[in-house]
Parts: sequence; structure tokens; C-alpha cells
Amino acid sequence: ETGVTQSPTHLIKTRGQQVTLRCSSQSGHNTVSWYQQALGQGPQFIFQYYREEENGRGNFPPRFSGLQFPNYSSELNVNALELDDSALYLCASSRDSSSGNTIYFGEGSWLTVV
Amino acid sequence: AQSVTQLDSQVPVFEEAPVELRCNYSSSVSVYLFWYVQYPNQGLQLLLKYLSGSTLVESINGFEAEFNKSQTSFHLRKPSVHISDTAEYFCAVNTGNQFYFGTGTSLTVIP
Repeated sequence: ETGVTQSPTHLIKTRGQQVTLRCSSQSGHNTVSWYQQALGQGPQFIFQYYREEENGRGNFPPRFSGLQFPNYSSELNVNALELDDSALYLCASSRDSSSGNTIYFGEGSWLTVV
Repeated sequence: AQSVTQLDSQVPVFEEAPVELRCNYSSSVSVYLFWYVQYPNQGLQLLLKYLSGSTLVESINGFEAEFNKSQTSFHLRKPSVHISDTAEYFCAVNTGNQFYFGTGTSLTVIP
């Protein structure tokens, strides 16, 4: 069984640029969530995708957007990067979008904005 | 919105000693409770979870947590820690489609 995989693992961008992060969900999972983990903090919910539709969003501005594809893989796009966007971005997948389901995390993508 | 409070940001403990990592949450509705562990430069891994039934839940590596509804707590305990338990531990509440995480407790096991 393949776990959650994310790419790239590390990247550096300049303020104002755009970035795309990618995630492959665990096999058999149709729901993907994205979290931002700033240094020394817990993960914060960005949004969830279920069957290719956004299914809930946290307190993040519209310049954070996403996609989910028919194979349930997902992308996180961030436009107009700001210095405070520097963080570990975690993708998590689950069997479905029901409450109580365990979410399984990838190892994350470290984004540094300079 | 839910909130999760982990009262201790850092907990040093000697090897083979017991440890308790505290977690309190605020919620007026039913929630599901989780503990995740994060080893250096890795993603989060599920340690244990409470959904319903017995209020005491256990993990395969000797950790346990007890759900206390009246105190809105879900403290994590282990009677005897090992060096390999050194990691960051996150308590989380799940309601709807969202997980709310605490700020984490860094457990350091001292030889």
C-alpha cells in the first residue's frame, strides 16, 4: 500500500512569486486535506478536497487555491507569495470526508520565501 | 471554532521514567480526539485516537490516553519512556472535515 507522497520536498521562492505543491493520496483514499505548519506551531487547516470539489476551507486568503484530480491526487497553489508563507506544507489523505476518519500525512514540502 | 491547548511546550524526562503530556480542548459538540507524533524532518504519524466507547485508548508502543468529557481533556501517558520516544507530540480535535491541532509538546528523553 502506497502512502501519501509530496513533491517537491524543499523549495525556495521569491516574494510575489507563485508556487505549486503536489500530493498523491494513499491508495483507496478519495479525500485530501492541506495543512500549513509554521515553525514551532501545530498544523493549520487550509482546505479539503473530496471527489474533486473543495469541501471546507480554513482561515486562509483566496490566493491559496487547490485542485483535486480524478485519481484523487491534489495540488496546492499559492499566488503572490509573502514572507509569512514560509512553512512546512502538509498533505493528508483519508478514506472519505466523514468525521472520525484518520488522516494520513505525507512528509511535507518545505517552502522558504525570501 | 475549536481550540486545543497543550500546556507544556517542552517536557524533558529521564529514560524509563513515566511521562504525561497534557491536552485540553474547547468544544460544545461531540468531537473525535487524536494524538499524532512527529519525528524530526518527518510528517505526522497517528499515535492513537478516541472515537467512542471506552475512554481509555492505547497505542501499540505503550502510550495511552484517557478521554475526560467533564474536564475536556485527553492527556497522553506512558509508564516508562525510551530514547526513541523523543519527538514532537500533537493533540488534535476533529469535527466535521477539519482537524484542529495544538501547538505541540516536545518530548526529550534523557539517557
